[in-house]
Amino acid sequence: AQSVTQLGSHVSVSEGALVLLRCNYSSSVPPYLFWYVQYPNQGLQLLLKYTSAATLVKGINGFEAEFKKSETSFHLTKPSAHMSDAAEYFCAVTRNTGGFKTIFGAGTRLFVKA
Amino acid sequence: GAVVSQHPSWVICKSGTSVKIECRSLDFQATTMFWYRQFPKQSLMLMATSNEGSKATYEQGVEKDKFLINHASLTLSTLTVTSAHPEDSSFYICSAGRFERVYEQYFGPGTRLTVT
Repeated sequence: AQSVTQLGSHVSVSEGALVLLRCNYSSSVPPYLFWYVQYPNQGLQLLLKYTSAATLVKGINGFEAEFKKSETSFHLTKPSAHMSDAAEYFCAVTRNTGGFKTIFGAGTRLFVKA
Repeated sequence: GAVVSQHPSWVICKSGTSVKIECRSLDFQATTMFWYRQFPKQSLMLMATSNEGSKATYEQGVEKDKFLINHASLTLSTLTVTSAHPEDSSFYICSAGRFERVYEQYFGPGTRLTVT
């Protein structure tokens, strides 16, 4: 069975500091990996995705993530946090097991301090 | 491109009544749509997967007679919560996938359901 683990339900950084949100997955086959952002009372917005191409994936708003197969990780980073980055972030894994199914991590709330 | 809408964005209903939520892909054809439920401060839980023209596949523990899903066209899927109870109050989010890249999902803005 596949699963997604996001380390840290809450992460707090200062404006301008590095953002690092951790995600580890378990999957017996190479998965499709995603990071989404959710603002209050809104749907999910895709930040970036890994689909077996380049292991370093660049997304929107300055975010990027690196797929490390040996560590089964897909951590999300941003060099310099902005106040507008404060939101909930979800890591997700999609596999095709007789139909596509997506499993979401528990989410990490990012706080950005002025 | 790849815009998904949901209607209504929020709804309040009384216990025992039914509520229908619509999910539309506005600028692409979605052969597969997914319905998720999200409780406050929690992650998304997949309820069911619907493919156009066929019956929805429900996840374990989701009552198919309570949460009726219809995917009558390539741009519209509906979720009907029947005989709603207060515990059905939640944030419901749909997503739609393109045929050739169904591993890419595009999410609707969500519907907040409150059952009184």
